[in-house]
Amino acid sequence: SQTIHQWPATLVQPVGSPLSLECTVEGTSNPNLYWYRQAAGRGLQLLFYSVGIGQISSEVPQNLSASRPQDRQFILSSKKLLLSDSGFYLCAWSPRQGEKLFFGSGTQLSVL
Amino acid sequence: GQSLEQPSEVTAVEGAIVQINCTYQTSGFYGLSWYQQHDGGAPTFLSYNGLDGLEETGRFSSFLSRSDSYGYLLLQELQMKDSASYFCAVISGYSTLTFGKGTMLLVSP
Repeated sequence: SQTIHQWPATLVQPVGSPLSLECTVEGTSNPNLYWYRQAAGRGLQLLFYSVGIGQISSEVPQNLSASRPQDRQFILSSKKLLLSDSGFYLCAWSPRQGEKLFFGSGTQLSVL
Repeated sequence: GQSLEQPSEVTAVEGAIVQINCTYQTSGFYGLSWYQQHDGGAPTFLSYNGLDGLEETGRFSSFLSRSDSYGYLLLQELQMKDSASYFCAVISGYSTLTFGKGTMLLVSP
């Protein structure tokens, strides 16, 4: 069966510090991978998606970046965090057709 | 771009039936999905409609009308554990999902 791992669960970072969130998928190959962000009490905003190794599409221009160094690994990064980067970050994967997303448990990021 | 509209909050009592509507505007529409999210947790998939009509999965059903750009999620025999946020999401090109802002369902005894 397929599983998705996302860590850490919570993170408190000072403004201006770097960020690296990692997500890995097991039990499937060549998945679509996604990073979403959710502000408190709000909907999910698509940040990045990837249909293959090294292929990253950005939905919202900002100081975040994503990389896919391996087929089942997706990394969200920032060189310098802003207060507005606080939120609940969710990694997800889907089969090729994308009808069904499977989400990781999420990372609650607080930038202070 | 895509936009979705759904009510911000719905209240109901245990055992009742509730319908959560979703209207959308999008290009390259492939289908409509529904997700449930409990407070502090991650969204979980409930249902998908790629064609017009009703899809039934246990106590939950979802409906789509492509000509009306409209869908709904129907929850029957409500239980306290159904209290959560419910999101509709449009699937468009490159298998990307755009989510609505969510409907908070409050089920009372």
